[in-house]
Amino acid sequence: QITLKESGPTLVKPTQTLTLTCTFSGFSLTTSGVGVGWIRQPPGKALEWLALIYWDDDKRYSPSLKSRLTITKDTSKNQVVLTMTNMDPVDTATYYCAHRRADGDFGVWGQGTLVTVSS
Amino acid sequence: DIQMTQSPSSLSASVGDRVTITCRASQRISNYLNWYQQKPGEAPNLLIYAASSLQSGVPSRFSGSGSGTDFTLTISSVQPEDLATYYCHQSYRSPYTFGQGTKLEI
Repeated sequence: QITLKESGPTLVKPTQTLTLTCTFSGFSLTTSGVGVGWIRQPPGKALEWLALIYWDDDKRYSPSLKSRLTITKDTSKNQVVLTMTNMDPVDTATYYCAHRRADGDFGVWGQGTLVTVSS
Repeated sequence: DIQMTQSPSSLSASVGDRVTITCRASQRISNYLNWYQQKPGEAPNLLIYAASSLQSGVPSRFSGSGSGTDFTLTISSVQPEDLATYYCHQSYRSPYTFGQGTKLEI
């Protein structure tokens, strides 16, 4: 059974850096075709794809946020970390990590973590 | 970037109705199109992958079709538990964009 869980601060101040960790089980991030993605959702708004890291350490980012995002993996810990610099109140959202299957879809999602940006 | 446009943005249906949601891609994406259901207060859940493949455990009243740029999600007989927002998602090319969502009210 595949599970993912996001962890990190619930409140960050403007200009700070957000670090979120996705801890997963039930799959290996060394398996060909597999990835872990990050998606966010501002309150009452649509899903926004942020970043994806593949089994071979290839990384993809949303062009509009690329300068602020870094995604890394630690296969020994079964974790994927997303950092976002220079946080702003508009970045207030629920942040999800999800298992990317070889077909390209997000087959399993974490429960999400709400991050509020406020001074 | 590939833009994904869903229609309608919201719709109201009665139990037993047949409902169709449309998703259009700004360029051809073959069948790299997925549908998710998000119930209030929950994480999204995969319904359909590769445009028409039903995810394991998803009721057979859900179906998907299309290829290229135009795709549809159909609920053959809406049930009360289908109250949710539905999102399409292209996995053809990065950035792997989502549609803006379709809110289904029962």
